[in-house]
Amino acid sequence: EVQLVESGGGLVQPGGSLRLSCAASGFTFSTYWMHWVRQAPGKGLVWVSHINSDGTRIVYADSVKGRFSVSRDNARNTLYLQMNSLTVEDTAVFYCAKLDGDGFDYWGQGTLVTVSS
Amino acid sequence: QSALTQPASVSGSPGQSITISCTGTSSDVGTYNLVSWYQQYPGKAPKLMIYEGTKRPSGVSHRFSASKSGNTASLTISGLQAEDEADYYCCSYTSTTTSWVFGGGTKLTV
Repeated sequence: EVQLVESGGGLVQPGGSLRLSCAASGFTFSTYWMHWVRQAPGKGLVWVSHINSDGTRIVYADSVKGRFSVSRDNARNTLYLQMNSLTVEDTAVFYCAKLDGDGFDYWGQGTLVTVSS
Repeated sequence: QSALTQPASVSGSPGQSITISCTGTSSDVGTYNLVSWYQQYPGKAPKLMIYEGTKRPSGVSHRFSASKSGNTASLTISGLQAEDEADYYCCSYTSTTTSWVFGGGTKLTV
């Protein structure tokens, strides 16, 4: 059974940092592109970043470029999102998602990041 | 990265059919057959309903279908059921940024 389990969310002050993790199981993690998608409270889904299977191709949304960094450890089947210089606008549930072809076929349960003083 | 355009809300009665549109540009929906659709219940993760423009994953009801014309993709739900009441999002690859973009979401009320 495919499982994606995010962790690392929480309350952080503006300007602070957090590192999210996404533990994958039930599939060959090292062969899939992985993505981060976020959803602010009461708002829609917003694509954040993706990383290819071996970590050599990474793209970020303009809104997080220069502040967020995505990485992966294929030996540990884990995806990461390092978030720096957080602002209140970054408050959201962050999901990791597995891309198969053109569809995000599996999603984690999400982890809530709250940026507030 | 502008979001794809979806109606904020649609509604229908049980048994009826509804269609949700998703309008993009020639850099995304119009060029690539890489539009996917997601269903999301409050407080839950999204669920893939349609991929590669028109294909249904295993387990998704045949009542869900999709199409595309020009820069607009559409999701049709036939034989509406109460359980279909949810938020629906489209998503497409975009060559503008070699990334992915979601629609703003449509709340379906049954």
